[in-house]
Amino acid sequence: GIQVEQSPPDLILQEGANSTLRCNFSDSVNNLQWFHQNPWGQLINLFYIPSGTKQNGRLSATTVATERYSLLYISSSQTTDSGVYFCAVSQTGRRALTFGSGTRLQVQP
Amino acid sequence: NAGVTQTPKFQVLKTGQSMTLQCAQDMNHEYMSWYRQDPGMGLRLIHYSVGAGITDQGEVPNGYNVSRSTTEDFPLRLLSAAPSQTSVYFCASSSGGRNYGYTFGSGTRLTVV
Repeated sequence: GIQVEQSPPDLILQEGANSTLRCNFSDSVNNLQWFHQNPWGQLINLFYIPSGTKQNGRLSATTVATERYSLLYISSSQTTDSGVYFCAVSQTGRRALTFGSGTRLQVQP
Repeated sequence: NAGVTQTPKFQVLKTGQSMTLQCAQDMNHEYMSWYRQDPGMGLRLIHYSVGAGITDQGEVPNGYNVSRSTTEDFPLRLLSAAPSQTSVYFCASSSGGRNYGYTFGSGTRLTVV
């Protein structure tokens, strides 16, 4: 099956710093999503982005489907950004998502 | 609009016991799925359904059963609980539209002793 690798596995930032999270995938996809799992375990859908660039406030994401990677940018980080960020993909003809192992982000005040 | 509702939030079982994790959505989504999350790992797909009466296996289906009698409900049944099934279980749904955005429930934390 498709492989999804995320980097870095762990990231510690000071409040106000910027960061870039990366997701590499091993095959063509028709669906790519970024999720944030907050410290209470809730999974929140951040972006549906199989290709192109999207922005939502301080967060933005870019997927280059031809090169099989996606980037999540967090600018001016806040302590509430802490948690685990997951990338998940699915392939044409399949609805099921395959998740990466996540990037654990800790933003310190 | 409640989204995806999972019950219970916490459960402790003894080895060999059976139980059903409930999942209900009120968004008329055709696609529903169950994932498990183990410490330090991403989510792994257990079973999924593309509509009422249709279910299929995911990556880790052994020890679990599902059924989909209505669009709204997708229960997950543990047949004979084992300590290896200690995990956090998430139910998710998505529409059949162009934007396959997923909505997740808040999870069920299951411990098997």
